[in-house]
Amino acid sequence: QKEVEQDPGPLSVPEGAIVSLNCTYSNSAFQYFMWYRQYSRKGPELLMYTYSSGNKEDGRFTAQVDKSSKYISLFIRDSQPSDSATYLCAMDDYKLSFGAGTTVTVRA
Amino acid sequence: EAQVTQNPRYLITVTGKKLTVTCSQNMNHEYMSWYRQDPGLGLRQIYYSMNVEVTDKGDVPEGYKVSRKEKRNFPLILESPSPNQTSLYFCASSWGQENTEAFFGQGTRLTVV
Repeated sequence: QKEVEQDPGPLSVPEGAIVSLNCTYSNSAFQYFMWYRQYSRKGPELLMYTYSSGNKEDGRFTAQVDKSSKYISLFIRDSQPSDSATYLCAMDDYKLSFGAGTTVTVRA
Repeated sequence: EAQVTQNPRYLITVTGKKLTVTCSQNMNHEYMSWYRQDPGLGLRQIYYSMNVEVTDKGDVPEGYKVSRKEKRNFPLILESPSPNQTSLYFCASSWGQENTEAFFGQGTRLTVV
């Protein structure tokens, strides 16, 4: 069983829709929870990170962590075509463990 | 500009021909690592280094070597590449092992025929 499970999609939504992404994990030792965004032919870039359970907002992006359920989510409100990318969840105890990534396409 | 630079970006080689992928960072980061990215498998760590002359295996180290003689450089060496090492490779660096932000290079697309 993988430490981090993420549905690879792909996910296609119309512009303005809410995008919902999630990951589950099995390692209770994970302390930090991150979302990376990867555009085509580029390296991943950190989008958001959280340390504890709860919600964190940054503009149109909201990250949620539920440690009791070992479940994290990323929501993108008012999605734009520029949000089209692969989104990878990542978690850290002493090293980063990544999900497989979900490819999102926002249609204009 | 803070960045991680990998070279080459694209490489096609033949089975058994030794190759090196270079990685350099200009942020004075202590922690550097190499990942490979394969469809459906995500990013898997190959090797990492906590500081100069300190390296350790990640999740998929077989067939790879690394060295860390200088803080800024962390080359990935494939002594005898095989077709199953065809992949997209990323170098990353961060301040410490407790990564709250890893900076990634642009990637190296390697094809072994």
